[in-house]
Amino acid sequence: GAGVSQSPSNKVTEKGKDVELRCDPISGHTALYWYRQSLGQGLEFLIYFQGNSAPDKSGLPSDRFSAERTGGSVSTLTIQRTQQEDSAVYLCASSLRRTGVGNTEAFFGQGTRLTVV
Amino acid sequence: ILNVEQSPQSLHVQEGDSTNFTCSFPSSNFYALHWYRWETAKSPEALFVMTLNGDEKKKGRISATLNTKEGYSYLYIKGSQPEDSATYLCAFTLYNFNKFYFGSGTKLNVKP
Repeated sequence: GAGVSQSPSNKVTEKGKDVELRCDPISGHTALYWYRQSLGQGLEFLIYFQGNSAPDKSGLPSDRFSAERTGGSVSTLTIQRTQQEDSAVYLCASSLRRTGVGNTEAFFGQGTRLTVV
Repeated sequence: ILNVEQSPQSLHVQEGDSTNFTCSFPSSNFYALHWYRWETAKSPEALFVMTLNGDEKKKGRISATLNTKEGYSYLYIKGSQPEDSATYLCAFTLYNFNKFYFGSGTKLNVKP
């Protein structure tokens, strides 16, 4: 597609339920990132994929969070047993190369607003 | 943890006013500084990427400068318009690292 696509755009879930957030990056972009913004906070790094592997998962806040990427394309972020503090906007971004190499620009999706009630 | 600070947190201006915001970042191991504009319900949109000390970039009425030695960047908007209303984010990268370190943004509201 023309841009990074995320689904759903909004998700309301009950505490304790599992959720899956999907990201469809720009075709040909090898690098993919997940960030989140909690209320009143800055954007927080979660995980980075290069192709299908995740060399940097350092931002995942707990073992309830996991992510995978298949075919070097679509990525899914899964949150198990959701808690209220998981409520945030989850943003996905992709880039041709990893950020920190050249003037690499990252392109963001519109985000998934997750509300845990 | 690398701290990126933006000020002010929010700004309310009248249409036609010029305005500027600041992004402060650690000056050691600096590689690149990015500015993004994030409008409500839309994707963050890249404005500028700057890497060299003294860099100045311009896009229409928006411009940015970079001082890597002292660790700051300014974003200027000349003659603000209501459509400039958005949150402006800066993000800093280290060499060969694979993540952005974002500031918490400056929320700009331009009143007609």
